[in-house]
Amino acid sequence: ETVLTQSPGTLSLSPGERATLSCRASQSVTSTYLAWFQQKPGQAPTLLIYGASSRATGIPDRFSGSGSGTDFTLTISRLEPEDFAVYYCQQYHYSPFTFGGGTKVEIK
Amino acid sequence: QVQLVQSGAEVKKPGASVKVSCKTSGYTFSDYYMHWVRQAPGQGLEWMGWMHPNAGGTHYSEKFQGRITMTWDTSINTAYMELSGLASDDTAIYYCARGGGPGSYPFGYWGRGTLVTVSS
Repeated sequence: ETVLTQSPGTLSLSPGERATLSCRASQSVTSTYLAWFQQKPGQAPTLLIYGASSRATGIPDRFSGSGSGTDFTLTISRLEPEDFAVYYCQQYHYSPFTFGGGTKVEIK
Repeated sequence: QVQLVQSGAEVKKPGASVKVSCKTSGYTFSDYYMHWVRQAPGQGLEWMGWMHPNAGGTHYSEKFQGRITMTWDTSINTAYMELSGLASDDTAIYYCARGGGPGSYPFGYWGRGTLVTVSS
């Protein structure tokens, strides 16, 4: 199974700051099949990024994705209050489709 | 607009089965994959498998092989996920999520989740 390792586990930042989240895969993943999700307490995940770098419909442009092969990054350019949440990467290249363990972005 | 409406919470005893439904609207049900993902309390996301009505196929994570069944009813645009041999560690929120299809990327739409509690 393709293991996705997200770091850091928790990111403590202030509104307005830049957030950089990492997702490392145990084997190379085609960028087409790498996604990022945001999840808030009590809610279903929301797709932010698909294809490693394409924003889903309605997602603000402060969210951006990059990377290839085994290393992928989600960047939030300037944190808004509503951005404090848990973020997951996911690969859907190899079965089983796996998620990373998540990065919690919390208010400092 | 695309909607995925899941069935209500369930409480089951160990060894029992549960069947969760996901009623869809706003798109052509048969043209898209449907995935099931679960999340144990306080834990991360776990993908369980997919189904595709038009292709008539299913694909399950090996972890659940032998005790998971995904079915559908195209007449009411509804997907089902049945999990048997429940144990306490199957306690989780179960989500359906629309997969890829004509001109669309996967995992863009999710149901609100169904809490399944397994307890004696």
